[in-house]
Amino acid sequence: EPEVTQTPSHQVTQMGQEVILRCVPISNHLYFYWYRQILGQKVEFLVSFYNNEISEKSEIFDDQFSVERPDGSNFTLKIRSTKLEDSAMYFCASIRTGIMNTEAFFGQGTRLTVV
Amino acid sequence: AQKVTQAQTEISVVEKEDVTLDCVYETRDTTYYLFWYKQPPSGELVFLIRRNSFDEQNEISGRYSWNFQKSTSSFNFTITASQVVDSAVYFCALSEANTGFQKLVFGTGTRLLVSP
Repeated sequence: EPEVTQTPSHQVTQMGQEVILRCVPISNHLYFYWYRQILGQKVEFLVSFYNNEISEKSEIFDDQFSVERPDGSNFTLKIRSTKLEDSAMYFCASIRTGIMNTEAFFGQGTRLTVV
Repeated sequence: AQKVTQAQTEISVVEKEDVTLDCVYETRDTTYYLFWYKQPPSGELVFLIRRNSFDEQNEISGRYSWNFQKSTSSFNFTITASQVVDSAVYFCALSEANTGFQKLVFGTGTRLLVSP
């Protein structure tokens, strides 16, 4: 069964450092997403990406964040200068079409710990 | 504005009991989708069900069933004869047509603890 793959599963970084979280969406999917879940809290939408550009972003997704699809298979989330409050589980998701009535496939998540 | 409320923070049951997880949503859109996801202790999000706003038929899948009632803006989830493996956090989520279905809005989740 196809799946969304995220690497690494856990990353520890020092405050102020840049981190890149990687995702490999399902190959024939067209829409890609990043969500964040601070420990013990709800899952929050960060950004959606289609046709090599951001289609929607939340207020959480400020200038410290960026996304790109550098090579047609990977989908990355970069945090330029991490803060302690960026510590969270980050989920990548992809869907084949542009409407959420189809199943959104989530990756297993990357746990980011900022120290 | 879209909002999903899961008022039950944590529920504890004994194996084989039935349990219902509540979900109430708010939306101004007439076209929307509702979802349930399971998050086991390992942390991943597992898709359970989606339901569109025009389909109020209840659904049963094995021990799982869902009751969608537009009149009360609720989409409740029942597990029959619960098992220890059902222990997880369960999230209800909503996606609206007026956002182009571009995002899921999640509730705060209900932690289900099933003890032997």
